[in-house]
Amino acid sequence: QVQLVQSGAEVKKPGASVKVSCKASGYTFSTYAIHWVRQAPGQRLEWMGWINAANGNTKYSQKFQDRVSITRDTSASTAYMELSSLRSEDTAIYYCARGYYYASGSSPDYWGQGTLVTVSS
Amino acid sequence: DIVMTQSPLSLPVTPGEPASISCRSSQSLLHTSGYNHLDWYLQKPGQSPKLLIYMGSNRASGVPDRFSGGGSGTDFTLKISRVEAEDVGVYYCMQALQAPPTFGPGTKVDIK
Repeated sequence: QVQLVQSGAEVKKPGASVKVSCKASGYTFSTYAIHWVRQAPGQRLEWMGWINAANGNTKYSQKFQDRVSITRDTSASTAYMELSSLRSEDTAIYYCARGYYYASGSSPDYWGQGTLVTVSS
Repeated sequence: DIVMTQSPLSLPVTPGEPASISCRSSQSLLHTSGYNHLDWYLQKPGQSPKLLIYMGSNRASGVPDRFSGGGSGTDFTLKISRVEAEDVGVYYCMQALQAPPTFGPGTKVDIK
Protein backbone atom coordinates (compact mmCIF):
# COMPACT_ATOMS: atom_id res chain seq x y z
CA GLN A 1 0.00 0.00 0.00
CA VAL A 2 1.10 3.56 -0.63
CA GLN A 3 2.81 5.10 2.39
CA LEU A 4 4.53 8.40 2.96
CA VAL A 5 6.44 8.57 6.25
CA GLN A 6 7.70 11.95 7.37
CA SER A 7 10.43 12.91 9.81
CA GLY A 8 9.66 13.91 13.36
CA ALA A 9 8.62 17.15 14.99
CA GLU A 10 11.04 20.07 15.02
CA VAL A 11 11.48 23.13 17.22
CA LYS A 12 13.42 25.97 15.65
CA LYS A 13 14.41 29.51 16.55
CA PRO A 14 13.42 32.45 14.36
CA GLY A 15 15.83 32.89 11.48
CA ALA A 16 16.82 29.23 11.40
CA SER A 17 16.06 26.66 8.70
CA VAL A 18 14.23 23.35 8.87
CA LYS A 19 14.45 20.33 6.58
CA VAL A 20 11.63 17.77 6.58
CA SER A 21 11.93 14.40 4.89
CA CYS A 22 9.25 12.25 3.29
CA LYS A 23 10.00 8.60 2.54
CA ALA A 24 7.70 6.94 0.03
CA SER A 25 6.91 3.25 -0.34
CA GLY A 26 4.35 1.04 -2.02
CA TYR A 27 4.71 2.55 -5.48
CA THR A 28 7.36 3.52 -8.04
CA PHE A 29 8.68 6.78 -6.63
CA SER A 30 9.71 8.37 -9.92
CA THR A 31 6.32 7.97 -11.60
CA TYR A 32 4.57 10.48 -9.36
CA ALA A 33 5.20 13.96 -8.02
CA ILE A 34 5.60 14.97 -4.38
CA HIS A 35 3.71 17.99 -3.07
CA TRP A 36 4.27 19.92 0.14
CA VAL A 37 1.30 21.51 1.90
CA ARG A 38 1.19 23.15 5.30
CA GLN A 39 -1.55 23.81 7.84
CA ALA A 40 -1.04 26.55 10.40
CA PRO A 41 -3.21 26.52 13.54
CA GLY A 42 -6.76 27.49 12.63
CA GLN A 43 -5.84 28.13 9.00
CA ARG A 44 -6.77 26.43 5.78
CA LEU A 45 -4.39 24.12 3.95
CA GLU A 46 -1.71 26.01 2.03
CA TRP A 47 0.21 24.60 -0.92
CA MET A 48 3.94 25.28 -0.94
CA GLY A 49 5.29 23.52 -3.99
CA TRP A 50 5.90 20.24 -5.76
CA ILE A 51 8.69 18.26 -7.39
CA ASN A 52 8.63 15.94 -10.35
CA ALA A 53 10.29 12.93 -8.78
CA ALA A 54 11.53 11.67 -12.15
CA ASN A 55 13.47 14.70 -13.33
CA GLY A 56 13.67 16.90 -10.22
CA ASN A 57 11.83 19.84 -11.77
CA THR A 58 10.12 21.97 -9.15
CA LYS A 59 7.34 24.51 -8.94
CA TYR A 60 6.89 26.73 -5.91
CA SER A 61 4.19 29.00 -4.61
CA GLN A 62 5.26 32.62 -5.08
CA LYS A 63 4.66 33.13 -1.37
CA PHE A 64 7.50 30.76 -0.50
CA GLN A 65 9.63 31.09 -3.64
CA ASP A 66 12.54 32.80 -1.88
CA ARG A 67 12.62 30.55 1.18
CA VAL A 68 11.70 27.01 0.15
CA SER A 69 13.65 24.28 -1.57
CA ILE A 70 12.20 20.89 -2.49
CA THR A 71 14.57 18.12 -3.48
CA ARG A 72 14.48 14.36 -3.84
CA ASP A 73 16.76 11.33 -3.64
CA THR A 74 15.38 8.73 -6.03
CA SER A 75 17.71 6.03 -4.68
CA ALA A 76 16.09 6.45 -1.26
CA SER A 77 12.55 7.18 -2.54
CA THR A 78 12.65 10.25 -0.36
CA ALA A 79 11.70 13.87 -0.88
CA TYR A 80 12.81 16.81 1.22
CA MET A 81 11.43 20.25 1.95
CA GLU A 82 13.70 22.90 3.39
CA LEU A 83 12.29 26.20 4.61
CA SER A 84 14.68 28.97 5.60
CA SER A 85 14.48 32.27 7.50
CA LEU A 86 11.83 30.83 9.78
CA ARG A 87 9.45 33.12 11.62
CA SER A 88 6.74 32.46 14.18
CA GLU A 89 4.08 32.45 11.43
CA ASP A 90 5.74 29.35 9.96
CA THR A 91 4.60 27.30 12.95
CA ALA A 92 2.46 24.65 11.28
CA ILE A 93 2.02 21.02 10.39
CA TYR A 94 3.85 20.30 7.15
CA TYR A 95 2.52 17.51 4.93
CA CYS A 96 4.03 15.78 1.96
CA ALA A 97 1.66 14.15 -0.49
CA ARG A 98 2.06 12.00 -3.56
CA GLY A 99 0.95 13.82 -6.69
CA TYR A 100 -0.81 12.16 -9.60
CA TYR A 101 -0.33 13.74 -12.99
CA TYR A 102 -2.98 15.04 -15.33
CA ALA A 103 -2.95 17.18 -18.49
CA SER A 104 -1.82 20.47 -16.99
CA GLY A 105 -0.10 19.54 -13.76
CA SER A 106 -0.36 17.40 -10.66
CA SER A 107 -2.66 17.03 -7.68
CA PRO A 108 -2.16 15.37 -4.28
CA ASP A 109 -3.68 11.97 -3.55
CA TYR A 110 -1.95 10.07 -0.70
CA TRP A 111 -0.66 12.18 2.21
CA GLY A 112 2.03 11.71 4.82
CA GLN A 113 1.27 11.84 8.54
CA GLY A 114 2.48 15.42 8.88
CA THR A 115 5.43 17.02 10.68
CA LEU A 116 4.87 19.70 13.31
CA VAL A 117 7.35 22.54 13.01
CA THR A 118 7.33 25.01 15.89
CA VAL A 119 9.18 28.31 15.55
CA SER A 120 9.81 29.92 18.91
CA SER A 121 12.51 31.93 20.58
CA ASP B 1 -4.58 33.22 -7.14
CA ILE B 2 -7.94 31.48 -7.51
CA VAL B 3 -10.04 32.01 -4.39
CA MET B 4 -12.08 29.08 -3.10
CA THR B 5 -15.09 29.43 -0.84
CA GLN B 6 -17.24 26.78 0.82
CA SER B 7 -20.64 26.70 2.47
CA PRO B 8 -21.68 25.96 5.03
CA LEU B 9 -18.58 26.18 7.22
CA SER B 10 -20.23 24.01 9.85
CA LEU B 11 -22.66 21.18 9.14
CA PRO B 12 -24.29 19.14 11.92
CA VAL B 13 -25.65 15.94 10.41
CA THR B 14 -27.89 13.06 11.43
CA PRO B 15 -26.65 9.54 10.64
CA GLY B 16 -28.60 8.04 7.79
CA GLU B 17 -29.57 11.43 6.40
CA PRO B 18 -28.08 13.05 3.28
CA ALA B 19 -25.64 15.95 3.42
CA SER B 20 -24.34 18.42 0.87
CA ILE B 21 -21.40 20.85 0.77
CA SER B 22 -20.97 23.64 -1.75
CA CYS B 23 -17.68 24.90 -3.15
CA ARG B 24 -17.21 27.92 -5.39
CA SER B 25 -14.17 29.21 -7.23
CA SER B 26 -13.34 32.77 -8.30
CA GLN B 27 -12.82 31.58 -11.86
CA SER B 28 -13.82 28.59 -13.95
CA LEU B 29 -12.00 25.35 -13.21
CA LEU B 30 -13.00 23.76 -16.52
CA HIS B 31 -9.87 22.83 -18.43
CA THR B 32 -9.74 22.62 -22.23
CA SER B 33 -9.51 18.87 -21.76
CA GLY B 34 -13.13 18.94 -20.63
CA TYR B 35 -12.30 18.07 -17.03
CA ASN B 36 -12.91 20.27 -14.01
CA HIS B 37 -9.76 20.51 -11.93
CA LEU B 38 -11.47 20.35 -8.57
CA ASP B 39 -10.69 17.83 -5.84
CA TRP B 40 -12.37 17.05 -2.51
CA TYR B 41 -10.53 15.93 0.62
CA LEU B 42 -11.65 14.76 4.04
CA GLN B 43 -9.50 15.37 7.08
CA LYS B 44 -10.75 13.27 9.96
CA PRO B 45 -9.87 14.42 13.49
CA GLY B 46 -6.18 13.93 14.18
CA GLN B 47 -5.47 12.59 10.69
CA SER B 48 -4.02 13.77 7.40
CA PRO B 49 -6.29 14.76 4.54
CA LYS B 50 -7.55 11.94 2.35
CA LEU B 51 -8.56 12.32 -1.30
CA LEU B 52 -12.26 11.61 -1.85
CA ILE B 53 -13.09 13.01 -5.29
CA TYR B 54 -10.81 14.09 -8.13
CA MET B 55 -11.53 15.96 -11.34
CA GLY B 56 -14.83 17.12 -9.93
CA SER B 57 -16.73 13.85 -10.00
CA ASN B 58 -14.43 10.82 -9.85
CA ARG B 59 -14.30 8.84 -6.62
CA ALA B 60 -10.80 8.00 -5.45
CA SER B 61 -9.84 4.39 -4.84
CA GLY B 62 -11.60 2.87 -1.84
CA VAL B 63 -14.03 5.75 -1.34
CA PRO B 64 -17.57 4.53 -0.57
CA ASP B 65 -20.17 5.17 -3.24
CA ARG B 66 -22.26 7.23 -0.82
CA PHE B 67 -19.88 10.08 -1.70
CA SER B 68 -20.43 11.85 -5.00
CA GLY B 69 -19.07 15.02 -6.56
CA GLY B 70 -20.73 17.20 -9.14
CA GLY B 71 -20.80 20.62 -10.71
CA SER B 72 -18.80 22.43 -13.34
CA GLY B 73 -17.12 25.75 -13.99
CA THR B 74 -17.24 27.68 -10.73
CA ASP B 75 -19.87 25.79 -8.72
CA PHE B 76 -19.34 22.36 -7.23
CA THR B 77 -21.07 20.12 -4.72
CA LEU B 78 -20.03 17.18 -2.60
CA LYS B 79 -22.91 14.96 -1.58
CA ILE B 80 -23.12 12.20 0.98
CA SER B 81 -26.20 10.11 0.30
CA ARG B 82 -26.48 8.68 3.84
CA VAL B 83 -24.11 10.04 6.44
CA GLU B 84 -22.32 7.59 8.69
CA ALA B 85 -20.64 8.38 12.01
CA GLU B 86 -17.19 7.80 10.45
CA ASP B 87 -17.78 10.67 7.99
CA VAL B 88 -17.14 13.36 10.60
CA GLY B 89 -14.24 15.71 9.97
CA VAL B 90 -13.36 18.71 7.84
CA TYR B 91 -14.04 18.60 4.12
CA TYR B 92 -11.89 20.73 1.81
CA CYS B 93 -12.23 21.51 -1.86
CA MET B 94 -9.08 22.35 -3.80
CA GLN B 95 -8.59 23.77 -7.26
CA ALA B 96 -5.77 22.29 -9.32
CA LEU B 97 -6.29 24.23 -12.54
CA GLN B 98 -3.84 27.01 -11.90
CA ALA B 99 -0.72 27.27 -9.78
CA PRO B 100 -0.71 27.66 -6.89
CA PRO B 101 -3.37 25.07 -6.02
CA THR B 102 -5.67 26.68 -3.48
CA PHE B 103 -7.98 25.22 -0.87
CA GLY B 104 -11.32 26.24 0.46
CA PRO B 105 -11.67 27.15 4.15
CA GLY B 106 -13.10 23.75 5.01
CA THR B 107 -16.53 22.54 6.14
CA LYS B 108 -16.63 20.92 9.55
CA VAL B 109 -19.10 18.03 9.62
CA ASP B 110 -20.14 16.59 12.95
CA ILE B 111 -22.95 14.51 14.33
CA LYS B 112 -25.99 16.28 15.79
